Amino acid sequence: DTEVTQTPKHLVMGMTNKKSLKCEQHMGHRAMYWYKQKAKKPPELMFVYSYEKLSINESVPSRFSPECPNSSLLNLHLHALQPEDSALYLCASSQVMRTGSYEQYFGPGTRLTVT
Amino acid sequence: AQSVTQPDIHITVSEGASLELRCNYSYGATPYLFWYVQSPGQGLQLLLKYFSGDTLVQGIKGFEAEFKRSQSSFNLRKPSVHWSDAAEYFCAVGAGNFGNEKLTFGTGTRLTIIP
Repeated sequence: DTEVTQTPKHLVMGMTNKKSLKCEQHMGHRAMYWYKQKAKKPPELMFVYSYEKLSINESVPSRFSPECPNSSLLNLHLHALQPEDSALYLCASSQVMRTGSYEQYFGPGTRLTVT
Repeated sequence: AQSVTQPDIHITVSEGASLELRCNYSYGATPYLFWYVQSPGQGLQLLLKYFSGDTLVQGIKGFEAEFKRSQSSFNLRKPSVHWSDAAEYFCAVGAGNFGNEKLTFGTGTRLTIIP
């Protein structure tokens, strides 16, 4: 199984709503990531979890709250978002190889629209 | 800080013709380099990566890339493109050790295939 799954595929939410994005992998990877991708732009890193601990937060606003309940699951809790937060949210996971190299596997993304 | 430049925003190629997508990076140490492909509304799929060793790396779907340190380049090539290769291609440079690695993406090159 070399798959990263994300739910939901699409999400429409109002600015006062609270919602969550979910990401799951069963490859035994110990690092997981959240990226944000605006239309016609490259992905931008938001958060990195390594061994279930937050290792990188790229100065993301507090209305985005990540959570890693276990090594297979990554959540992104959303609250009081703005219309400019509308984007494709991508999850990825990675594992270090014997050579020291790594590669990130991406999920299909959640298309978020904030109204 | 690392950065990636993809000089070509959009490339059109005839089916069966050869392809080269350009990528230049800026990074103070030995770079970890990646090429990803993204179909519309989808996640990213890793085509190939360079960490060390042989500077010509082979990837999936018949793609290859050559790392040239003197030119700070990592160009992607394919000898004969297929209509299914139409997509957005991103070059990325990775920095940091596993669990703290940050991928910085170029702005992407959109590939159109004409019959």
